[in-house]
Order: sequence, then structure tokens, then C-alpha cells
Amino acid sequence: EAGVTQFPSHSVIEKGQTVTLRCDPISGHDNLYWYRRVMGKEIKFLLHFVKESKQDESGMPNNRFLAERTGGTYSTLKVQPAELEDSGVYFCASSHHFVTELAGGASGFLAYEQYFGPGTRLTVT
Amino acid sequence: RKEVEQDPGPFNVPEGATVAFNCTYSNSASQSFFWYRQDCRKEPKLLMSVYSSGNEDGRFTAQLNRASQYISLLIRDSKLSDSATYLCVVSSGNTGKLIFGQGTTLQVKP
Repeated sequence: EAGVTQFPSHSVIEKGQTVTLRCDPISGHDNLYWYRRVMGKEIKFLLHFVKESKQDESGMPNNRFLAERTGGTYSTLKVQPAELEDSGVYFCASSHHFVTELAGGASGFLAYEQYFGPGTRLTVT
Repeated sequence: RKEVEQDPGPFNVPEGATVAFNCTYSNSASQSFFWYRQDCRKEPKLLMSVYSSGNEDGRFTAQLNRASQYISLLIRDSKLSDSATYLCVVSSGNTGKLIFGQGTTLQVKP
């Protein structure tokens, strides 16, 4: 089974330019996540898709970041215009989806293992 | 205050040593807990999930204390190949998003 793939592996762009990162999740995984690691900091969540729908984009830094997952397969993350502080490693992860009924009838979500891609190292100069 | 706190290390230990990593988390509503391993310039990979009753996988033992909001990882009989960064990770909310600690670096020396 092919793992999560990301393209490109490295990107060096100038401040003000646009960059689009791509993620291909494991086939059949409905959940797709974007994370980012800025140098010296912990890996941070950006957003979560279930199929083509954005479930949670609370981690997106600002409106210069746009993520899409048309058709519920691969996803793109566009940064426009890029700033120096956008430099870092952008990871994509995917997982199966599992919903369980919690006490009181509410729906809950059990976290399945998330498989990470190799990341895209973005450098903005 | 960070949501997940870890001692960054580095921990330098000889082969065969036993080493323990600790982690605390701030959100009492956290539902799932993990240890991930990350090698230099590689992606994080799941090492093991952490259950309330504690769990063991070979040389690795993980413990969770929900009352203290504390997670631990014990590595026995360290190997050179165990050298890596160990990430304490929790998941909360209804989306499964992962919240990472900064990682603890382990260097096992011959």
C-alpha cells in the first residue's frame, strides 16, 4: 500500500511569491490533515478535511493560506503571498474515519493512527 | 503555557540503559494519547498509543495518569537505533487533530 506522498519535497521562494503544496493521502482515507513545524517549535495543526469538507481550520495562521481538497482525494495548500515566517516543514497526514456514539447519544470521534507524509520543506527568502 | 510540555533533553545514554520520558498536557478533555518517533529530517511515525491501564510493546512501556494529566514512556535496554526525537501527542475535540509536544531528543551511545 502506498503511503502519504507530498510534493514538492523542497521549495525555495522569495517573499511575496506564491507556492502550492500538494498531498496525496493513502487511498481510502477520508481524513486528511495539514500540520506545520516552524524551526525551533513544535509541530502545529493547520486544518482537517473529511473527504472534501473542511472540518476544522482553526490552526490556519491567516488568510494567506488556502487549502482545498476537491473531490475528496488529494489536497493542496497554497500560500499567497508568502512571508518569511511561513518557512518551515509542512506535513500532511491521513487516517481512517471512525465515529462512535458517546454517552447521552452524542457523536464522538476516535482518533485513528495518522500516517504522515515526508513533508515539504518551505524556505521563504 | 504550551498544551503539551516535554523536557527537550537531549538525553545521552549508553547502550543497554533504561531511559524514561515524561510529558504533561493541559487540556483535561483530551481523549487519546500517543508517543510518536521522529528521526532527523523525517516524518513523525506512531510508536505506540497510550491507554489508561498502561501498555507495553517489547522494550517500550507507556503510562497515562489522567488525574495528573501526565504521560510517560519507558525504554528498556536502549539500542543505538532508538536514537531519535520522541514526541508526546494528545488528541482532543471531535476532529482527531493532534497536539504535539516539542519532543525529547534521545541519543544512545555505544
